[in-house]
Amino acid sequence: GIQVEQSPPDLILQEGANSTLRCNFSDSVNNLQWFHQNPWGQLINLFYIPSGTKQNGRLSATTVATERYSLLYISSSQTTDSGVYFCAVDAGGTSYGKLTFGQGTILTVHP
Amino acid sequence: KAGVTQTPRYLIKTRGQQVTLSCSPISGHRSVSWYQQTPGQGLQFLFEYFSETQRNKGNFPGRFSGRQFSNSRSEMNVSTLELGDSALYLCASRTSGGNTGELFFGEGSRLTVL
Repeated sequence: GIQVEQSPPDLILQEGANSTLRCNFSDSVNNLQWFHQNPWGQLINLFYIPSGTKQNGRLSATTVATERYSLLYISSSQTTDSGVYFCAVDAGGTSYGKLTFGQGTILTVHP
Repeated sequence: KAGVTQTPRYLIKTRGQQVTLSCSPISGHRSVSWYQQTPGQGLQFLFEYFSETQRNKGNFPGRFSGRQFSNSRSEMNVSTLELGDSALYLCASRTSGGNTGELFFGEGSRLTVL
């Protein structure tokens, strides 16, 4: 099946710093989503971005489908950005409803 | 518009018991998927339902089962619970019945097996 690798596994920042999270995937995908998992476990949708670039406030994402990677940019980080960030892909075909998740990036932002 | 709702949020069971978890998708969403999250295995796909039919299943033993009702609400059941079934169970829904479209997740049901 499709493989998803995220890097770095851990990231520690000072408030105000910028960061880039990377997601590599092993095959072509129909969907790609970025999530932030809050302390209570809920996956919060950040971006639905199978290709192209999107921005939402201090966050932006770019997916280069032909090269099989996606990047999540966080600018001017805040302590509330702390948590686990997941990239997940849907390989299409008969993979109905199945997202394959990376192992996540644990982000810690210190004040 | 209400999000994906999962009940119960927390539960404790003992080995050998069974458990049923419920998921109400976002209104108008007909595809419902279930995932298991554990520290060791991460997030893993359990199964997906659309129009009361299971269309896709992950690599889990037969003790894990599910169903979907005509109103798109879904339940999953785990029988003969094992310690390793302790996990966060997440439900997700999407509008489309195809392979495109954004998935939206509920807050999860956290199961502890003693």
